[in-house]
Parts: sequence; C-alpha cells; structure tokens
Amino acid sequence: EDKVVQSPLSLVVHEGDTVTLNCSYEVTNFRSLLWYKQEKKAPTFLFMLTSSGIEKKSGRLSSILDKKELSSILNITATQTGDSAIYLCADGTQGGSEKLVFGKGTKLTVNP
Amino acid sequence: NAGVMQNPRHLVRRRGQEARLRCSPMKGHSHVYWYRQLPEEGLKFMVYLQKENIIDESGMPKERFSAEFPKEGPSILRIQQVVRGDSAAYFCASTGGKTGNTIYFGEGSWLTVV
Repeated sequence: EDKVVQSPLSLVVHEGDTVTLNCSYEVTNFRSLLWYKQEKKAPTFLFMLTSSGIEKKSGRLSSILDKKELSSILNITATQTGDSAIYLCADGTQGGSEKLVFGKGTKLTVNP
Repeated sequence: NAGVMQNPRHLVRRRGQEARLRCSPMKGHSHVYWYRQLPEEGLKFMVYLQKENIIDESGMPKERFSAEFPKEGPSILRIQQVVRGDSAAYFCASTGGKTGNTIYFGEGSWLTVV
C-alpha cells in the first residue's frame, strides 16, 4: 500500500522566518505529488509536482520534487501569521482513479 | 475550490440515527470523491464516483456506509446507524472538466455523534 510521511508533524516559528516542510513517499508507479494547505476548513490546492528537479513557485511558497530520494519539500519564506495552517502532502498515483493518499500533515504555527 | 458545495456544514446525530451528507461538485466536474478526516489524522480516501457509477470504493467501511452520485442532483454519502467513531470531518472533492486532474475540495461536513 502506498505511504506518505510528512515531517515535522508540527512546527512553531516567528514571523519572518523561513520554513521547510518535508514529504517522503513510498509508491509504485509514481505519477504526481500534491501539496495542500488546510486551515479550519477545506484543503486548498497549492502545487502538483510531476517532474523531478523543477521548482514550482507561488509568491513566498515554493516546492520541488526529488524522485531519486522519493521526497518533496515545501518552502515558505518570510512567514506571516496567515501561513499558520496544516500543510498536507498527497500522492496522486493510485491507479486510474485519481484518488489521493495523504500524509498526516505538518501543523505550522507562525507567531507574531 | 469554493465551487465544491457541501451541506450540511455541521451535523449532530445520536447513536443509531442516520447521517446524510451532500456534495455538489464544481461546475463542469464529473468526478466526485469522499474523504474522511478523523481528529489528528490526515485525510483518508473513501470512495470515488462518476455520474451513476461507483468507480472505487476501496476506502469505504464494509457496513453502514454507502455513496451515490445520481444523474441529477448532488452526491450523497449515507451513514446508517451512526456510532461515536463516525464523528469526523467528511470532505468531498471533485475534478474533471477544464481544471484537468487537479482535485478541489469542499469545506467539509463535520459530523458529531452523541
């Protein structure tokens, strides 16, 4: 069964810090890895990664995939209190059904 | 992702009652997924449906849970004879159409069984 592990499980930083969140996966027939941000409600799509070594960027957030290491990182620079959320990593490889296998998430708290 | 509509947002049921959760996918989407999130846990896949068809129900508990996505109307996740362990957030997601394979989530239905 495919497995997605995120670390750390929780992280507390101060505004302005840079954080790196990790995601490792054990899957067969890898196709894609996705990052979501979850505040108190719906997970919000951030990135989909399919190719190794190509960074995807959106404002202060960026993410990259390393297929050799079976891992991905999500970077957030100059963190703000609004970045406080649970960041979910998911493997989108499960056969043809497009279902996602999620890690448990990293809970990020950004203090003022 | 605001386009995936779920209701009710919050539902309280006594043990033994039935819970019905509804999901209208984003406009133009024909694929619907249901996920469950238990406290302190990640989201777990339950079922994947297209109109009038269950494609993958490998994550559904064997008993008491069922899902449908009729030709007309929303997708429904039905939980019969609820137990305390069913208390969770149930998220619907949809994909397809112009958004390609990106999966968008609704805001969830929070079921509490008392």
